[in-house]
Amino acid sequence: DIHMTQNPVSLSAFIGDKVTITCRASQDISRYLGWYQQKQGQSPKFLMYYASNLLSGVPSRFSGSGSGTEYSLTITGIQPEDAATYFCQQCYSYPLTFGSGTKLEIK
Amino acid sequence: VQLVESGGGLVQPGKSLKLSCSASGFTFSSYGMHWIRQAPGKGLDWVAYISSSSGTVYADAVKGRFTISRDNAKNTLYLQLNSLKSEDTAIYYCARKAFGVGWYFDFWGPGTMVTVSS
Repeated sequence: DIHMTQNPVSLSAFIGDKVTITCRASQDISRYLGWYQQKQGQSPKFLMYYASNLLSGVPSRFSGSGSGTEYSLTITGIQPEDAATYFCQQCYSYPLTFGSGTKLEIK
Repeated sequence: VQLVESGGGLVQPGKSLKLSCSASGFTFSSYGMHWIRQAPGKGLDWVAYISSSSGTVYADAVKGRFTISRDNAKNTLYLQLNSLKSEDTAIYYCARKAFGVGWYFDFWGPGTMVTVSS
């Protein structure tokens, strides 16, 4: 199984800040990496696929990058509605696995 | 697109439960579907997948105990949970396989809670 290590576990930011969440795979996943946003009490929302491709309707302040085993999600210009937990997910091979999540708090 | 799970509840260890996921707003028969679970306050665990042609894949933790199935005439996805354990306690989400971009989950239901306890 491919293990996904996500950091940090939590972070806090001011409105307008830039934050980066990282995700490390236990083996090369060739950019088969997605990101999800889960707000409190809600189901996850699909944000990005293939490491850097934004879904339609996702604000452009979200961006992704990476290759091999190292990936990141960056939010540039944090907004109040970005408060959520963010999860990475590899789809390189089964079983599909997720990172443990990063909780973003807005100060 | 709308996905709505049902069938969750409190069940004793060793017992069974069947979850349903009613789909609407898209051509259900054309899409693969997943079940994913989330223990209270924890992360996400993929559980099972069924293709549009009813091929299936399971996580090791549930293989032999859970069965995923679908009824395309009823636009409904199912998950039969047998021999339940306390560690199966979680919110169970059904999710649609993203079309054409890989093994991602593009739409999720609100989830149904399964609690395994005596």
